[in-house]
Amino acid sequence: GAGVSQSPSNKVTEKGKDVELRCDPISGHTALYWYRQSLGQGLEFLIYFQGNSAPDKSGLPSDRFSAERTGGSVSTLTIQRTQQEDSAVYLCASSPLGGLAGGLYNEQFFGPGTRLTVL
Amino acid sequence: AQTVTQSQPEMSVQEAETVTLSCTYDTSESDYYLFWYKQPPSRQMILVIRQEAYKQQNATENRFSVNFQKAAKSFSLKISDSQLGDAAMYFCAYSNFGNEKLTFGTGTRLTIIP
Repeated sequence: GAGVSQSPSNKVTEKGKDVELRCDPISGHTALYWYRQSLGQGLEFLIYFQGNSAPDKSGLPSDRFSAERTGGSVSTLTIQRTQQEDSAVYLCASSPLGGLAGGLYNEQFFGPGTRLTVL
Repeated sequence: AQTVTQSQPEMSVQEAETVTLSCTYDTSESDYYLFWYKQPPSRQMILVIRQEAYKQQNATENRFSVNFQKAAKSFSLKISDSQLGDAAMYFCAYSNFGNEKLTFGTGTRLTIIP
């Protein structure tokens, strides 16, 4: 079946503009994660959705960042008033259940990411 | 908070040879998972191998194996019979048991020399 898809693949924007990044998880996966990969860095956790539970927003770097997940499927990450330091690759992942639901490990499947460049 | 450290920004190996990538981590937890992910130029993260901390036996997946030293908080990846397709960024990652977030190291870029 189809994997995790993300759009757009690349996004160039001007400082101060708002951007929306989209993630389509694997069908049936209840858990969805957003990570950020800055140049030369590892991935940094941003936010986690699991079913109808309140999302874990502990990784969002500022209140300019927000995310929603509609109908338990598609997710949108919104960055308001973009800054140059927001330039990075934003990766989305989905998992059949929560990562460790029922004591079993559930693999996170990653999308190809969106490369955001803020000029 | 947990941290993951990869001290080798770049490594290279001759095709068909063996290479070991290093990773150390810090945690106060006793139950957790450790992972190695591969990221080719396509950017898509691919799970290579995982290790449950409660298992003493080192995980193995075909040409990939780990050396897990829990007391030393060390988790290295050995790639045997290196192939051109193994060229990629490799990330070590950690997850608490019961916590879904992955904490990643900064990665090691592996080059395969034909």
